[in-house]
Amino acid sequence: QKEVEQNSGPLSVPEGAIASLNCTYSDRGSQSFFWYRQYSGKSPELIMFIYSNGDKEDGRFTAQLNKASQYVSLLIRDSQPSDSATYLCAVKRGNDYKLSFGAGTTVTVRA
Amino acid sequence: DTGVSQDPRHKITKRGQNVTFRCDPISEHNRLYWYRQTLGQGPEFLTYFQNEAQLEKSRLLSDRFSAERPKGSFSTLEIQRTEQGDSAMYLCASSPGEGRYQPQHFGDGTRLSIL
Repeated sequence: QKEVEQNSGPLSVPEGAIASLNCTYSDRGSQSFFWYRQYSGKSPELIMFIYSNGDKEDGRFTAQLNKASQYVSLLIRDSQPSDSATYLCAVKRGNDYKLSFGAGTTVTVRA
Repeated sequence: DTGVSQDPRHKITKRGQNVTFRCDPISEHNRLYWYRQTLGQGPEFLTYFQNEAQLEKSRLLSDRFSAERPKGSFSTLEIQRTEQGDSAMYLCASSPGEGRYQPQHFGDGTRLSIL
């Protein structure tokens, strides 16, 4: 079992719709969770991080964390063509420094 | 506030050659990380520095790989006797020293192609 798994893509959504991305992790010691956006050929760009159970909203993005279910998700509301990218889920144990990444989910927003 | 800077952006070399990459972290970030990313995969951790001390190395970092951060500022990653399997994007990231929850910020990466 991979340490971090993301729902397989690609995910295609119409402009203005909600894109929902899922991520599960295997290590119960994971304490911090990050979503990165990566455009083709570019480096990962941090868009959200969450540490506590529940929802965290930042503009059109909402991260949701459920530690009991070992599940973290990202919602993108009012999706725009500029949101077309690969979204990487990353987790970190409390005392570790390294991030463990999922393989990413590619999102395409159709105009 | 400049971001993480990596040099070169692209490197093409023949199998068996040595290559060296440089990373300049965000100023005052004392934590620096190297990751490797292959096509269709997420980044994989290679090694981590806190100031000049290399505190953790992944099993991915074979003896052909060496990383340094001599003055606690910039870092170099050297690959000796390159192999086809070394072709990847090498990413550097940095984070502040205080707080274990600090996010990591990535540079634009060095794309290595082995002929």
